Amino acid sequence: QPVVTQSSSASASLGSSVKLTCTLSSGHSSNIIAWHQQQPGKAPRYLMKLEGSGSYNKGSGIPDRFSGSSSGADRYLTISNLQSEDEADYYCETWDGKTRVFGGGTKVTVL
Amino acid sequence: EVQLLESGGGLVQPGGSLRLSCAASGFTFSNYVMCWVRQAPGKGLEWVSSISASGASTFYADSMKGRFTISRDNSKNTLHLQVNTLRADDTAVYYCARGQSAGASDYWGRGTLVTVSS
Repeated sequence: QPVVTQSSSASASLGSSVKLTCTLSSGHSSNIIAWHQQQPGKAPRYLMKLEGSGSYNKGSGIPDRFSGSSSGADRYLTISNLQSEDEADYYCETWDGKTRVFGGGTKVTVL
Repeated sequence: EVQLLESGGGLVQPGGSLRLSCAASGFTFSNYVMCWVRQAPGKGLEWVSSISASGASTFYADSMKGRFTISRDNSKNTLHLQVNTLRADDTAVYYCARGQSAGASDYWGRGTLVTVSS
């Protein structure tokens, strides 16, 4: 089954950009993934589905500041014009026919 | 508007059982895969189980097989998770989530807290 790996933390200044990485395990580099945001004390929120081609589809109401891209086994989430409400944990998710798996999450701190 | 509302959590002693429920509204429930995902205090998200749209197929994380049973009632737009022989490390917020046809979990409930303690 697939495994996804995320760095544990990232930080950037208010108004700047941050790029998060989700790396798929060997044999699963073409997998589609999803990015989710979890603000402190809240439930996760779906941000987007991201394909290996770099094509992505965002969930309802997700600001334009959030975008996705891909390179090989890496899937990226870029947050532009970082806002205070973007301080949260970000999880990637992937799946095969029978299982789902989440990365360990990246905690984003807005400086 | 898609809504998922979990219930059934609470404080339970080790070895006890719980049945969690998730009431769905705002979409055609019987057309979607549904999942349970849990989050232990201070930890990340952990997939627990999924069920096909018809309910005919069920899938579990390896560590959940045997004690967890997922089910659904499409006539009542409700998802369930039966958890038996609860252990302290089952303490978590349990979320239900809707699965897109392409796989992504695109809507989440607010979660229900299960605390296993004597």
